[in-house]
Amino acid sequence: EVQLVESGGGLVQPGGSLRLSCAASGFSFSRYWMSWVRQAPGKGLEWVANIKQIGSEIYYVDSVKGRFTISRDDAKNSLYLQMNSLRAEDTAVYYCARDLPFDQWGQGTLVTVSS
Amino acid sequence: DIVMTQSPDSLAVSLGERATINCKSSQSVLYSSNNKDYLAWYQQKPGQPPKLLIYWASTRESGVPARFSGSGSGTDFTLTISSLQAEDVAVYYCHQYVSIPLTFGGGTKVEIK
Repeated sequence: EVQLVESGGGLVQPGGSLRLSCAASGFSFSRYWMSWVRQAPGKGLEWVANIKQIGSEIYYVDSVKGRFTISRDDAKNSLYLQMNSLRAEDTAVYYCARDLPFDQWGQGTLVTVSS
Repeated sequence: DIVMTQSPDSLAVSLGERATINCKSSQSVLYSSNNKDYLAWYQQKPGQPPKLLIYWASTRESGVPARFSGSGSGTDFTLTISSLQAEDVAVYYCHQYVSIPLTFGGGTKVEIK
């Protein structure tokens, strides 16, 4: 069974940092594009970043460029999102998702940026 | 950036009736090299992550009931639920994956009338 389990969310002050993790199981993680998608409370879906197999290509939405870094560790079947200089508008549930289009999703981890 | 515009924002349909959701992209999502429309539809129920329903505009994901169908090409697309069931109450999103940044429509909330 395919599973994606996010962790690392929480409450952080504006300007702070968090590192999200996504543990994958039940499939050959290294063979897939992986992405982070977020959803602000009561709002729609917003793609944040994605990373190709072996990290050979990486893309970000403009609003997080220079602040967020996506990475992967295929040996650990894990995806990461390092989030720095966090802003109130980054408050959202962050999902990791597999492939393009997104055929498997985790349950999400909530990031709240507030003083 | 490709802007995805969904309509309506919400709709209420009687059980067993048809529900139709529209999605328009600001640029074509048809990739000429393989003649495929890079358009997907997702269903999101309250408190759950989205679920992929349709990809390549009209291909149903494995396990998705046949009452869900997708159509359209280029810039105009439709998701149809042929006979609405109670478990179909959800928000539906269209999504283009032909170009970066990947973008979603604003969502359409489907309720029972």
